[in-house]
Amino acid sequence: GQNIDQPTEMTATEGAIVQINCTYQTSGFNGLFWYQQHAGEAPTFLSYNVLDGLEEKGRFSSFLSRSKGYSYLLLKELQMKDSASYLCAVRDQTDSWGKLQFGAGTQVVVTP
Amino acid sequence: ETGVTQTPRHLVMGMTNKKSLKCEQHLGHNAMYWYKQSAKKPLELMFVYNFKEQTENNSVPSRFSPECPNSSHLFLHLHTLQPEDSALYLCASSQALGMENEQYFGPGTRLTVT
Repeated sequence: GQNIDQPTEMTATEGAIVQINCTYQTSGFNGLFWYQQHAGEAPTFLSYNVLDGLEEKGRFSSFLSRSKGYSYLLLKELQMKDSASYLCAVRDQTDSWGKLQFGAGTQVVVTP
Repeated sequence: ETGVTQTPRHLVMGMTNKKSLKCEQHLGHNAMYWYKQSAKKPLELMFVYNFKEQTENNSVPSRFSPECPNSSHLFLHLHTLQPEDSALYLCASSQALGMENEQYFGPGTRLTVT
């Protein structure tokens, strides 16, 4: 079966750092994605990890440990516009094309 | 602007109605997807099309019927829906299936079944 866990909600102050954890148990693995979704809007791609380690992209970084089935998304210098839901998705490679399995999302609330 | 558009943005329909959702992508992608997003639940993959051919039907009830006339357009035909079908329906596209190809999502259609 497939299981992707991430916290339901996190609150942080403007200018602070927040780390969103994602753990997964999937039949196969061929990459992990993070998406951002503002209320009422489309999810937008943030990052992709397929090898262990840290990928940095501006204020956002994503980390992957395949042996631990674990990833995190790190948001630095938080801004009010970062208030959104963050979706962790794992590409399962047990089928022919690798469908994405999504977590339920973590709602990040940034306060002044 | 993500390059993927969906119409209508909001839809209210009775259980005996027939309606269709439309998705169009302007990105030259070859794969298109339908997802269902319910509150507090993970996105659920419904259908996948690759080069207009359906490659995935994720055990979706027959009251949902997809149509992909070409690689740029995707429809979801709805009939005799149930109240539990109320959700946000998201369309997505990607250059190809699998690997590092990220999916680009449309803004979704908020569907309410009364």
